[in-house]
Formats: sequence, C-alpha cells, structure tokens
Amino acid sequence: DGGITQSPKYLFRKEGQNVTLSCEQNLNHDAMYWYRQDPGQGLRLIYYSQIVNDFQKGDIAEGYSVSREKKESFPLTVTSAQKNPTAFYLCASSIVADRTGELFFGEGSRLTVL
Amino acid sequence: GQQVMQIPQYQHVQEGEDFTTYCNSSTTLSNIQWYKQRPGGHPVFLIQLVKSGEVKKQKRLTFQFGEAKKNSSLHITATQTTDVGTYFCAGLKTSYDKVIFGPGTSLSVIP
Repeated sequence: DGGITQSPKYLFRKEGQNVTLSCEQNLNHDAMYWYRQDPGQGLRLIYYSQIVNDFQKGDIAEGYSVSREKKESFPLTVTSAQKNPTAFYLCASSIVADRTGELFFGEGSRLTVL
Repeated sequence: GQQVMQIPQYQHVQEGEDFTTYCNSSTTLSNIQWYKQRPGGHPVFLIQLVKSGEVKKQKRLTFQFGEAKKNSSLHITATQTTDVGTYFCAGLKTSYDKVIFGPGTSLSVIP
C-alpha cells in the first residue's frame, strides 16, 4: 500500500529535550511538507522540501529543523528552542516539485511536552 | 502576508439540513483546494478549483470559486452523520506557491 507513514503517533517529552518525528513516503513524490495543527488555527507550514538535499522555511520554522537526505524521508526535529511545542504535527507530500497539487497527509504525530 | 479566512468556525446542523462554509482570501488566488479532516484523523483532499467562477460537484457537495478568485464556498446538501468533520480551504497565490490553509469550519451533525 502506498502512503505516508509518520512515527511515533504519540510522543511525550520533557522541557529542554529535542525530539525527532519521522516521516516516510513510498509514493515517489518529489515534494514533502511539515505542518503544525493547533485547535482553531488550521494548519501552519513549518518547512517544505521540493527536492532532495534542499528545503525552505515555512511560516513558523523557528525552533524546528529538518533534513532531506533521501527522497522518501523528511524527518522533523523539534528543538528545545521551540517555545510551545505541544501540538499535532502532520507530514504531507505532493507529486510534483514545481507545481503545487493535491497534498497527501500522514496520520500525524501528537507531541506533548510535560 | 497572505491570509485565508473561513466562516463560520463551528456549525451544528440537524441531519438532513444543508451546510455551507465560506472561504475568503486577502489576495487573489491561483488555485483553491478543499480538504476534510474527520475527528482524530488527518486532512484528506476533496477538490481543487482553478478557474474564475468555477463550480464543481461531488455527489451532495458543491464547490464554487468566486469570479474575482478571492473567495470560495463549499455547500453540502442534506447533511449526513458521515459529513462530520472539519473542512479546510487552502489557497495558493500561484500554482508554484506553498499552500496556505484557512482555520477550518467544524461541522457537527445531530442525528
């Protein structure tokens, strides 16, 4: 089955710790995205990548980092610099890198900072 | 920066009633997309509109793109409990741009 796999589904973290969320896709999509979802605020773009070894900041990149070493993988690290990291994180991909089309989403990772 | 707004934020309807959510952008859009997110789930793509004044239908769902390409609507006829969820519009300034999501409209259907 083709799709996007995010892990872990739930994650608890103590303040001051970095945590990495995994996102893997086997759709052969060029573009991948990370969104953050908070209640009543829709989805806000953290980072996106249109090609391997390249990525751009979205609207709320501060306190986050990413890498795109392989086409199928786009992990997100939530660093201790992120002031309010508790949220639902969604990874998405789209077919083409140079023309935005339908976004396919993973099932999400829910991060809670204790 | 570009903003995409949606109204209403919440809507409660009796099963069988109609439902409409409206999406407005502060700038002219190239495309607009609609997604549905069931409670506890992830967003799922419904449709993309590209042309000014475009109207598309999917069974009981009707999507419209405004003439000025700054607004859009989603209308559901005779709601069912399976329609429950949050509906997001997402706009693009150009076809090559990143997708900007609205805050969503949460629909509850009372059986």
